[in-house]
Amino acid sequence: AQSVTQLDSQVPVFEEAPVELRCNYSSSVSVYLFWYVQYPNQGLQLLLKYLSGSTLVKGINGFEAEFNKSQTSFHLRKPSVHISDTAEYFCAVTNPHSGAGSYQLTFGKGTKLSVIP
Amino acid sequence: DTAVSQTPKYLVTQMGNDKSIKCEQNLGHDTMYWYKQDSKKFLKIMFSYNNKELIINETVPNRFSPKSPDKAHLNLHINSLELGDSAVYFCASSRQGAENTIYFGEGSWLTVV
Repeated sequence: AQSVTQLDSQVPVFEEAPVELRCNYSSSVSVYLFWYVQYPNQGLQLLLKYLSGSTLVKGINGFEAEFNKSQTSFHLRKPSVHISDTAEYFCAVTNPHSGAGSYQLTFGKGTKLSVIP
Repeated sequence: DTAVSQTPKYLVTQMGNDKSIKCEQNLGHDTMYWYKQDSKKFLKIMFSYNNKELIINETVPNRFSPKSPDKAHLNLHINSLELGDSAVYFCASSRQGAENTIYFGEGSWLTVV
């Protein structure tokens, strides 16, 4: 079984400042990793995902994340945030070796990013 | 054009009632899901349907029953609603395969009073 820990429940940051949202995972097998964003009163939208290959993954809206296998981390970063980035961010993991059709995302508890003008 | 649509968006009902939430996807995906998000924003999968067959059935009460009339629809029926069922329920879909992106609907806010 896998699990995800998002170390910060809330992260306030000033507009145009950089931000890092932390995510650590636990799994006995290799995993796929995802970051989703949830804007207020909306569903979740994929920001980026790591499947294999380059450990630095670039996503939408200027976000990127780095997979670190030795530290079992997948932290999300953005060099300069905007007011519109205010949202809840979820890290998620899945086991690519599950039986066909039984893949499920295990989510962290989310980090609320608040961008301060 | 909404990819994953679910109705109703808001639902307020009394304890003991039976209610359904409908979900449709127009992405041609063969796997659909129901997720529950509690008041603390924690997301947990409830069900997964692949080609109309239930693949995952997490430990949810049997008052919850998913029904899939075809690959594009996965409805959630809830019997004998309880206060603790109040949550946001998200329908989602994806192509088969763990590497594929899961697309979420906008959620159905269920309040049981």
